[in-house]
Amino acid sequence: NAGVTQTPKFQVLKTGQSMTLQCAQDMNHEYMSWYRQDPGMGLRLIHYSVGAGITDQGEVPNGYNVSRSTTEDFPLRLLSAAPSQTSVYFCASSRSTTLETQYFGPGTRLLVL
Amino acid sequence: AQSVSQHNHHVILSEAASLELGCNYSYGGTVNLFWYVQYPGQHLQLLLKYFSGDPLVKGIKGFEAEFIKSKFSFNLRKPSVQWSDTAEYFCAVNAYSSASKIIFGSGTRLSIRP
Repeated sequence: NAGVTQTPKFQVLKTGQSMTLQCAQDMNHEYMSWYRQDPGMGLRLIHYSVGAGITDQGEVPNGYNVSRSTTEDFPLRLLSAAPSQTSVYFCASSRSTTLETQYFGPGTRLLVL
Repeated sequence: AQSVSQHNHHVILSEAASLELGCNYSYGGTVNLFWYVQYPGQHLQLLLKYFSGDPLVKGIKGFEAEFIKSKFSFNLRKPSVQWSDTAEYFCAVNAYSSASKIIFGSGTRLSIRP
């Protein structure tokens, strides 16, 4: 199993550009989530999904969209990038709920100029 | 809304010293509690978790944590640290009222002097 994979590993964007951060898992996990990690602020939940077709907002959803058309994939879309979205983004998954161990991807480092 | 506080931002210890990292949460109901660790250049991984039962939880690599409900705390401990414990440690809480969300603390960076 590859576990949780994220692409790209690193990306530079200009303000106003859009892009999609990819996240995929091959463990047939129902629960998937996106976090951003900023110095001194830990991990903050952006969006999460409890299964295909079901998504919901976390702590900091503004400026981000998600969809979950399949169990395996949970892409995160930045609609119009802003410098405040410069961060490291982590995707995580677990078998069914948050009670299960979360498996994290390697992260995507995003720089918005 | 639930929140998690880790007051120690950076802790520096010598090898063989004892470790205690603080974690407090703000939620009055039933919670599930976690400690995750991020070693340099690696993914976050679970150290230990508490759902119910014995409030003293043992995890991997000699770590343990104690849930004290009256203090809303879930402190992480290790009796004797090693250089390889250098990492960032995150406390996290999942409240039953918002079962689909895990909220993380800001993290504590642990540096071990050889």
